[in-house]
Formats: sequence, structure tokens, C-alpha cells
Amino acid sequence: AQRVTQPEKLLSVFKGAPVELKCNYSYSGSPELFWYVQYSRQRLQLLLRHISRESIKGFTADLNKGETSFHLKKPFAQEEDSAMYYCALKGSSYKLIFGSGTRLLVRP
Amino acid sequence: DGGITQSPKYLFRKEGQNVTLSCEQNLNHDAMYWYRQDPGQGLRLIYYSQIVNDFQKGDIAEGYSVSREKKESFPLTVTSAQKNPTAFYLCASSMGQQETQYFGPGTRLLVL
Repeated sequence: AQRVTQPEKLLSVFKGAPVELKCNYSYSGSPELFWYVQYSRQRLQLLLRHISRESIKGFTADLNKGETSFHLKKPFAQEEDSAMYYCALKGSSYKLIFGSGTRLLVRP
Repeated sequence: DGGITQSPKYLFRKEGQNVTLSCEQNLNHDAMYWYRQDPGQGLRLIYYSQIVNDFQKGDIAEGYSVSREKKESFPLTVTSAQKNPTAFYLCASSMGQQETQYFGPGTRLLVL
């Protein structure tokens, strides 16, 4: 079965602290993984995808096939990073399968 | 993503009533999608369309119907058979199935 698990509903950190949003997936083939973000009163938008291997807004995510994980990391959180973050998997049928989301709250 | 519009922003449905949510895109994208977003459950795929006049059921298609008569438009009808329609509905589009999906602002459906 294809599944994406985000174990934390809420992650609260102080400004300047490191952030790691966890994402684990279940998929038998070679997955394509994404992180989407939804800021307050804005539409859902793509943050990054693993095949790009890029850093967006200071965030990075590495695909670990051994641990079937795609955790999102940022070394120093900013208040403007507060948002809802969704991990998503694109499997064989090209459908996106989303995790349940993690709300990141960065306190001043 | 600015090229995808959804209307209305809020929609109220009475018992036994069918309602239609609009989704329009001017990005010349072939593929379009409808998702339902419930608190604590993320997004679930309702229907998707790879090309005009073609569409497939997603994971939770029961109680919903769609049409794709024009490339730019992919309306979703929530029928009276959908017993729990209260949710936030998101439309998305992509150049092709393998490409990045861009999302609309969403429609919140409430049952009176």
C-alpha cells in the first residue's frame, strides 16, 4: 500500500532553533517525494521536491530509501516559517498521496 | 498558481441538494484534480482528469461527479449521495501527470 505518515500534528520551536519535520512513506517502487506548504490565508504551494536536490527558503530534505523517510530540515527557524506542511508521494499512477500534515509554529 | 481560480469561496448546501464547485485554469494545463481536505487527514483525491473529455475516480469518488468539457474547466458536483460533504475542497492542475501540481485557493462547503 502507498502511504505517507507525518507523525507530528504540531511542532513548536523558538526562532533560531533547528527544525525537523518528519515524513515516512510506504511504497514498493522508486517514489517521487514532495513537500508542500500552506501559509495562513494562502493557497497550498510546492516547497521542494527530492529530485531537484535544492534548498528553498533554507529548507532541505533528503530521501533516505533505507529508512523510507523524507524529513524536512532547516537549521535556523524564522517566524515566517510558521505554516502547515504536507509531505506527498507520487507513485506509479502519478497520483499524489498526501500525509496528514504538520503545523509548524515558530515562536519569537 | 495564480492561474487557477475556484468559486465560490464559501458554499452552503441544504439537505438533499446538489451543489457545483467551479475550478478554472488559464495555464494551458492538461491535467486537473479535485482534492478534499479534512482536519487531521491531509488531502484526499476525489477525481482527476488527464485530458479533455476524460476523467478517473480517485480514492473517495462516491457522492461526487465531474465533467471535463473544456481544457480550462473542471467543475465538481457534490451530490445528495455524499453524506458528509462538509470540507475544504481544493482544485489543482499540472502540465501533465508527471509535472508539478499547482493549487487553487479552495472552496469551503458547509451543510445547513
